[in-house]
Amino acid sequence: DAGVIQSPRHEVTEMGQEVTLRCKPISGHNSLFWYRQTMMRGLELLIYFNNNVPIDDSGMPEDRFSAKMPNASFSTLKIQPSEPRDSAVYFCASSFSRNYEQYFGPGTRLTVT
Amino acid sequence: DQQVKQNSPSLSVQEGRISILNCDYTNSMFDYFLWYKKYPAEGPTFLISISSIKDKNEDGRFTVFLNKSAKHLSLHIVPSQPGDSAVYFCAAKRAGNNRKLIWGLGTSLAVNP
Repeated sequence: DAGVIQSPRHEVTEMGQEVTLRCKPISGHNSLFWYRQTMMRGLELLIYFNNNVPIDDSGMPEDRFSAKMPNASFSTLKIQPSEPRDSAVYFCASSFSRNYEQYFGPGTRLTVT
Repeated sequence: DQQVKQNSPSLSVQEGRISILNCDYTNSMFDYFLWYKKYPAEGPTFLISISSIKDKNEDGRFTVFLNKSAKHLSLHIVPSQPGDSAVYFCAAKRAGNNRKLIWGLGTSLAVNP
């Protein structure tokens, strides 16, 4: 079975550009989570969806960040405009509503120069 | 404010011996705890979990112990194998419907042959 799929795996962009990260959760999972990992702050939850509806977006750092989940099999995290401090690894994870275990994708390493 | 703390950034153990990874938390409202393992350039992988109504959960070589009065949990790996070398994260969930996990900063385990 395919796990969580994220694209791209690596993204290098210049400050001010728009960045879109993509995620396909595991089929049948109805919760989806976006995380950011940095050395200083570790893994931080940005936002999570349940049945395609945003439930907790308290971790979204500012208005430059937005996330959508138009259907059960696709989600995007957009940063516009990007800044060097957004450089991090961004993970997507999904889970089934009866369990708390989350299954992670391989991550997208974002570098903003 | 780090609600989940892994005070040892790194740990080195000989192959065949026991590895003990520790995690402390401050929020008494946490009711579910999880351990994840992470290899470089991959997403975290779920290992084992424990509910706050239990004090021990075992799965093969992995055992998690929970001491609620001390707000402390530990992960025991016996016997340790070189393939266990990875970063281990402790995560906790608050009681209630919010599926958000609060993460520690991780402990890097090196198992030496």
